[in-house]
Amino acid sequence: DSGVTQTPKHLITATGQRVTLRCSPRSGDLSVYWYQQSLDQGLQFLIQYYNGEERAKGNILERFSAQQFPDLHSELNLSSLELGDSALYFCATRSGTEYNEQFFGPGTRLTVL
Amino acid sequence: QQPVQSPQAVILREGEDAVINCSSSKALYSVHWYRQKHGEAPVFLMILLKGGEQKGHDKISASFNEKKQQSSLYLTASQLSYSGTYFCGTANRDNYGQNFVFGPGTRLSVLP
Repeated sequence: DSGVTQTPKHLITATGQRVTLRCSPRSGDLSVYWYQQSLDQGLQFLIQYYNGEERAKGNILERFSAQQFPDLHSELNLSSLELGDSALYFCATRSGTEYNEQFFGPGTRLTVL
Repeated sequence: QQPVQSPQAVILREGEDAVINCSSSKALYSVHWYRQKHGEAPVFLMILLKGGEQKGHDKISASFNEKKQQSSLYLTASQLSYSGTYFCGTANRDNYGQNFVFGPGTRLSVLP
């Protein structure tokens, strides 16, 4: 158990809908990273927040947005969903040590029908 | 900017050894290795830092060649539990301390 929690575990929705994925980092971790992993694909970095501020942006679509709240939990909002958005979405936090290793949450499996 | 991993997939018998390679076109500050079992989250294995520091797993070793901008992960006497997809993540001067970029993964299957 990494200490990172994500809800919900599974989400099934229809095209055109909007969903919100939630992530709670480990106690004391200030960074949150979001990744998308399509079926049998690699990890695509979406966006990073650090202590409430956006720090880095990857291949995140304009239909997607994220934020990190004062209590450090983060939400990833996906709107106007398309079939191709079906994927596993992971959040991860980074240790505060010089090694910067990441700890991944269990993921949210999104299925768009 | 995505690192290249080789091989794409490898099948072993229990007890055999394997090497997974990761290379980058940019100068590297650190290389991270993660293992992901099907349907689960990636789990941290190993980090190698510029200058030779290493932190990681007691049954898996790795090397980091800064000049060649590449890292290799060595799995010796493979166990069934080693099966999964191995990802390297690289950090360079532009993104160090922020995100790092994952390679496409190497799928390892260990058979009894």
